[in-house]
Amino acid sequence: AQTVTQSQPEMSVQEAETVTLSCTYDTSENNYYLFWYKQPPSRQMILVIRQEAYKQQNATENRFSVNFQKAAKSFSLKISDSQLGDTAMYFCAFKDSGAGSYQLTFGKGTKLSVIP
Amino acid sequence: GAVVSQHPSRVICKSGTSVKIECRSLDFQATTMFWYRQFPKKSLMLMATSNEGSKATYEQGVEKDKFLINHASLTLSTLTVTSAHPEDSSFYICSAVRTGGNEQFFGPGTRLTVL
Repeated sequence: AQTVTQSQPEMSVQEAETVTLSCTYDTSENNYYLFWYKQPPSRQMILVIRQEAYKQQNATENRFSVNFQKAAKSFSLKISDSQLGDTAMYFCAFKDSGAGSYQLTFGKGTKLSVIP
Repeated sequence: GAVVSQHPSRVICKSGTSVKIECRSLDFQATTMFWYRQFPKKSLMLMATSNEGSKATYEQGVEKDKFLINHASLTLSTLTVTSAHPEDSSFYICSAVRTGGNEQFFGPGTRLTVL
C-alpha cells in the first residue's frame, strides 16, 4: 500500500516571500501521479498542481512549482511570491496509474499561513 | 467545466434521524464517485467508492448499513447517514471522476451536525 507523509503540520511565510512544503511517499509502482491540493477555509478542495512520474520535468503552474525527486520519493511544493489567498491547508496526494484506478492517497496536510 | 455540487451544504439533525447528502456532477458524466469524511484539522478519509449501477465499495471500518450509498445515474450519487448519532458529526466531501478520465473533481462539502 502506498503512503504519503507530510512532515510539517504547520508553516508560515511572509507575504511576497517563498515557501516550500515537503512531501515524501512510498510505493513500489514505477508509474504514478502526484498531486498537491489546496483546501482554503471554505473547505473546497482545489487542485494546485499535478506531476506524472514518468515525466522528468518538474511541473509548474504560475507561482507554484514542484521539486520531484523520483529516486528519493520526494515531491515538494514551492510557492513563490506568497499571497494572503494562499493561506490554506495543503495536501499531497498519490495515485497509481493502473487502468481504472482513481483512488487518491492523501498525506495529513500542512497548514500554511501567509502573514501580511 | 468539471463542476461538482453537494446538497445540502450544512445540515443539523436530531440523533436517530437519517440524513441524505447529494453529490452531483453538473457538466460531465461520472461513472465513479468517492465519498470522504474529514474531521477538524485532519486529512480526508476515504469512506467508499461509488460506481454507477453497481454496489458501492466500502473501506475497512466503514459500516455499509449505516452509510448507504446510491449511484443511480451518471451525474448523481447520494450518501444517507442512517440513525445518525453525534459521533457522525463531520464534514463529508464527495468527488467525481469524469467517465473516461482519471482525475477527481471535488464537491464543496457538507457539514453534518447531529444533536
